[in-house]
Amino acid sequence: GEQVEQLPSILRVQERSSASINCTYENSASNYFPWYKQEPGENPKLIIDIRSNMERKQIQGLIVLLDKKAKRFSLHITDTQPADSAMYFCAASGPNYNVLYFGSGTKLTVEP
Amino acid sequence: VTLLEQNPRWRLVPRGQAVNLRCILKNSQYPWMSWYQQDLQKQLQWLFTLRSPGDKEVKSLPGADYLATRVTDTELRLQVANMSQGRTLYCTCSVGTGGHTGQLYFGEGSKLTVL
Repeated sequence: GEQVEQLPSILRVQERSSASINCTYENSASNYFPWYKQEPGENPKLIIDIRSNMERKQIQGLIVLLDKKAKRFSLHITDTQPADSAMYFCAASGPNYNVLYFGSGTKLTVEP
Repeated sequence: VTLLEQNPRWRLVPRGQAVNLRCILKNSQYPWMSWYQQDLQKQLQWLFTLRSPGDKEVKSLPGADYLATRVTDTELRLQVANMSQGRTLYCTCSVGTGGHTGQLYFGEGSKLTVL
């Protein structure tokens, strides 16, 4: 299968600080990298994504960076709020069409 | 707007018994339908992607055996058998045009617990 490594598995930050999650992937043909947020008891929801023709994308307080040479991408949440507390998953597209391979998840806790 | 409807949402499954799950696509503009499992450690894993009515695939993973069927353009089914550990099965859909993997949207999930 396709490996996507995600770190850290647990992340605690203070409210209004930044949180960063890092992922690496194996397949150099991967060209689509989404991030999902999952709250307890809920399904994963797409929050931001980036394609391989970009290096940086920002939607409000979410920033995604992609380094294709290093096969690495990251999510940065600026000005965190307690409502940002959740599980976050990175994913990368694989050789099979419309298939995503997921990292193992990061449990983010934003403390007031 | 809900793109997918999954049922049942929860099911207690006696050990050794199979269970049938159903997923209905509400918007035909997202025809690439898939099943993903999320285990008790929250790991998400792709199982199947079935595009055309009549497509069928089987797979065995640690803790369960699967048979997926694309019944119609709007219905996807999954039979789960020999389950030894609980898990949640998610149906997903995407547009997937132009040779690129499209944005993937998740259904609400079917949470299975082994009795």
